Formats: sequence, structure tokens, C-alpha cells
Amino acid sequence: GENVEQHPSTLSVQEGDSAVIKCTYSDSASNYFPWYKQELGKRPQLIIDIRSNVGEKKDQRIAVTLNKTAKHFSLHITETQPEDSAVYFCAASIYTGFQKLVFGTGTRLLVSP
Amino acid sequence: NAGVTQTPKFQVLKTGQSMTLQCAQDMNHEYMSWYRQDPGMGLRLIHYSVGAGITDQGEVPNGYNVSRSTTEDFPLRLLSAAPSQTSVYFCASSTAERTDTQYFGPGTRLTVL
Repeated sequence: GENVEQHPSTLSVQEGDSAVIKCTYSDSASNYFPWYKQELGKRPQLIIDIRSNVGEKKDQRIAVTLNKTAKHFSLHITETQPEDSAVYFCAASIYTGFQKLVFGTGTRLLVSP
Repeated sequence: NAGVTQTPKFQVLKTGQSMTLQCAQDMNHEYMSWYRQDPGMGLRLIHYSVGAGITDQGEVPNGYNVSRSTTEDFPLRLLSAAPSQTSVYFCASSTAERTDTQYFGPGTRLTVL
């Protein structure tokens, strides 16, 4: 089955810096790659996603890139702000009548003022 | 429109006890699923349903039962709780057209002593 690895497990940056979180996946049939943000004690919330027919997607300060050949994808956050501090999860999935998401282990991002 | 709701928010059980975690959604979503979240392990799919009367196993189904008698409700049953089931449980729902965009409930924190 699918396996997703996520790095780093923790990331500390200064406000205004950029942050990059990387994930690799094992199943070349995976076709959907979402990123979730989870604040302490809250539910995961989708922040951006990308499908296998697209190499890059951007939404304001957040961007995701996908390299299908290398089977890895990354989350890029520019001009970080303290409210970006949270745990970020990547996921990969294959559609087989239902989009079964396999999650990475999470990255704790801390943005210091 | 409450979205996805879960009850209870917190629960403490003794080993061997049974209980049902409740999940309901008012968005008329066909697809519903249950995940567990453990420290350092991300979220893992337990069971999912693609419609009333139809359920299937996810990545970690052992020790859990589900049923889907209505579109709105998708309860998760622990028949004989074990300490290994101590976790945070999230229910999620999505439409049949966009099963990839999953809306998560607020979670239930379960402790099994």
C-alpha cells in the first residue's frame, strides 16, 4: 500500500522567512496530494491540494509543487506569520471509488515574532 | 448548517468496556469516514462509507465496527476497548463528486485505562 514520509518533524523560522516541508510517497498510482493545517486541539483543515496532472499550485503565500518522477511533493510558505504556527500534514491518495488518504507524520512549524 | 459534529468530545473508558462514538453531518454528503490520530503517526483511516448501507475497511479497522443506516449518521463502535485504542478520533465527510475534499469534525479524545 501507499506510504508517505514527511520531513522535517519540526521547523522553526523567524517571522517573514520562508518555510518548506517535504513529503515523499511510494505508490506511483497516487493522484491527489492535499496539505492540512492543524492548530492545537483543533480539527485538520485543508489549506491547499494538487492533482497529479499539475506540477505547481499557488494560493497567496502558500504553494505546493509536485515531482511525479521523483515521487515527492512540497509545501512552501512565504512571508511566514506567527499565525502560521501549527502542525502541517501532507497526504497522498489513489481514487478507487473513494479517495483513501494516507497521511504523513506531520511537521510542527513554529514562527517566532 | 453545523457541518460535521461529533460526540462526545472527551471520554474515558476502562479496558473491556464498549462505547459508540457519534458522528453526524448535515451537508447531505454521501461519503463519510473515521480516522484516528496518534502522536507522531498522523491520521489513519479506520472505516469509511460511500452511502447508506455501504461500509468498508480502511488501514486500521481491527477492534472497530461501523454501520450507516442514514446519510447523516456514521457511528463508530468499540466493542471491547483496549489501551491501544487511546487516541483522538476524527470523523470526516465528502461529496461523491469531490471525495478528495474531506470536511473533518472537531474530534473525540478517547482514553482507555
